[in-house]
Amino acid sequence: NAGVTQTPKFQVLKTGQSMTLQCAQDMNHNSMYWYRQDPGMGLRLIYYSASEGTTDKGEVPNGYNVSRLNKREFSLRLESAAPSQTSVYFCASSRQVSNQPQHFGDGTRLSIL
Amino acid sequence: GESVGLHLPTLSVQEGDNSIINCAYSNSASDYFIWYKQESGKGPQFIIDIRSNMDKRQGQRVTVLLNKTVKHLSLQIAATQPGDSAVYFCAENTGQAGTALIFGKGTTLSVSS
Repeated sequence: NAGVTQTPKFQVLKTGQSMTLQCAQDMNHNSMYWYRQDPGMGLRLIYYSASEGTTDKGEVPNGYNVSRLNKREFSLRLESAAPSQTSVYFCASSRQVSNQPQHFGDGTRLSIL
Repeated sequence: GESVGLHLPTLSVQEGDNSIINCAYSNSASDYFIWYKQESGKGPQFIIDIRSNMDKRQGQRVTVLLNKTVKHLSLQIAATQPGDSAVYFCAENTGQAGTALIFGKGTTLSVSS
């Protein structure tokens, strides 16, 4: 039972490079999310998709774009990576946005030099 | 504004003791709360949730208490084990259509044997 799968697990980029983080869930969930986690900052929401075909900004969307490819997949793109985007990125999914537990992947550790 | 916080960033207990992790929230409109456990190198793992029409909910070795009068949430872990060592996050949801969870910064629980 895979749950939420994120690829890659680790990545090192140079400033200015682009990168797409992939996320897929097999729980038939409607809603999907991207978070970043920095030391001492907890989880901060970047973007979310309440349902297939919709996306909305979260707390820290600048510098990122997302695509809800289908019900299963939600990707996060960094068009021009900056050192400030060095972080651990988590994808999550839930049955619906409100009042439902979110289930997380194990993260992508991204370093930007 | 909306915020979720924890009273203590770290908590150290002995194996076999009961642990209590606290969380304060500021939005009186919040009606759904979740506790997550995050082990090193992994994504947050759902532990237990509670809705605002309840004040207590029990799981396996865990109990969540909700005090809406003082906007306080706690997670009690019975007979704490070394495997419980992790960072614990609380999260809240206001229930407004389309709004996602808001996470606190986390408490690190260390269990010594």
